[in-house]
Amino acid sequence: NAGVTQTPKFQVLKTGQSMTLQCAQDMNHNSMYWYRQDPGMGLRLIYYSASEGTTDKGEVPNGYNVSRLNKREFSLRLESAAPSQTSVYFCASSWGRVTEAFFGQGTRLTVV
Amino acid sequence: GQQLNQSPQSMFIQEGEDVSMNCTSSSIFNTWLWYKQEPGEGPVLLIALYKAGELTSNGRLTAQFGITRKDSFLNISASIPSDVGIYFCAGQERRNTDKLIFGTGTRLQVFP
Repeated sequence: NAGVTQTPKFQVLKTGQSMTLQCAQDMNHNSMYWYRQDPGMGLRLIYYSASEGTTDKGEVPNGYNVSRLNKREFSLRLESAAPSQTSVYFCASSWGRVTEAFFGQGTRLTVV
Repeated sequence: GQQLNQSPQSMFIQEGEDVSMNCTSSSIFNTWLWYKQEPGEGPVLLIALYKAGELTSNGRLTAQFGITRKDSFLNISASIPSDVGIYFCAGQERRNTDKLIFGTGTRLQVFP
């Protein structure tokens, strides 16, 4: 059982480049999340999707877009990468309300 | 955006000692979750709490959902070297149960 799978695991971008981080879950979960983790900041919510076809902003959405392609997949796009977006990005999923979330292994992104 | 206040920020203890950490919020939460993160990995769920006053154990770990619904506690008894990592609390607010918010983390170091 794969759980939550993120690709790629590592990425280096130049300032201004764009890219999409992919996330897929095989647990039939309704809700999916994108977080970023920076040293000393814990995990901050970028966007989340409570169900297929819906997305909502989290705490730090600026500079990002998301797509809930179907129930399994939730992608995060950086249209014009900036050094401030250097971080570790985690995708997570859960059944939905009042339930625990499961995480992928993360994408380590460096913007130079 | 809201983040949960987690304390202490870091702990350095000797093997065999007990550990206590806590998490507080300014708003009422419906769910409290405790995660552990090891280097290079995503957070892994340790304990989930769903009712005020609930006390739940998972091996040497015990967590409680505070009566006020604004705090939670995690205790680790008889610590061992493999307990090393960052411990995060997370919760779902009563007023927005689609969003999972994380604390800033407690970094635990255990010395043999």
